[in-house]
Amino acid sequence: EAGVAQSPRYKIIEKRQSVAFWCNPISGHATLYWYQQILGQGPKLLIQFQNNGVVDDSQLPKDRFSAERLKGVDSTLKIQPAKLEDSAVYLCASSLDLGGAYEQYFGPGTRLTVT
Amino acid sequence: QQQVKQSPQSLIVQKGGISIINCAYENTAFDYFPWYQQFPGKGPALLIAIRPDVSEKKEGRFTISFNKSAKQFSLHIMDSQPGDSATYFCAATYGSSNTGKLIFGQGTTLQVKP
Repeated sequence: EAGVAQSPRYKIIEKRQSVAFWCNPISGHATLYWYQQILGQGPKLLIQFQNNGVVDDSQLPKDRFSAERLKGVDSTLKIQPAKLEDSAVYLCASSLDLGGAYEQYFGPGTRLTVT
Repeated sequence: QQQVKQSPQSLIVQKGGISIINCAYENTAFDYFPWYQQFPGKGPALLIAIRPDVSEKKEGRFTISFNKSAKQFSLHIMDSQPGDSATYFCAATYGSSNTGKLIFGQGTTLQVKP
């Protein structure tokens, strides 16, 4: 089966610019996650969707970050305006359903550099 | 209380040796503890996972040891190979009754020397 697809793989922008990332989860996976991985740290959950509804966005900086999952399949994560500290790898993951028992499959990530 | 602390930050092991990575947690509600392996330029991939009702789980050269009373768990890689060189993350989450949100450790970069 095809894995989680993400694009672009790399993005360089200047601070205060906007950027968007796209994720296509594994077919049939109801749950989609966006993680932020800062260099040298473990991934941190930003937002979690179950189908097209938000389950957890408690760690999403809502003043600058937004995400949507229209039709319960693809998802986009947007940053506007970007700050230097947003430089990180943004990982998308999907799982068959909610709950820790379901394995999360990660995409390759988008490496964002904010200058 | 939501943290998972991982050590060491980096590890160098000779080929054929044993690699040991340790993690500790505070939240006793966690009941699923996976380990992820991440190669450069790739996303993390599930390696092995354990629930607290067992003290050890082995899959091939990879073993998780779990100490519920100490709230600690560790990954042992036996007969370490150069291909095992990667970053390893421990994680913790709640069981199937919750969201599945993973709390990751800081990561351990493993280098296996030939």
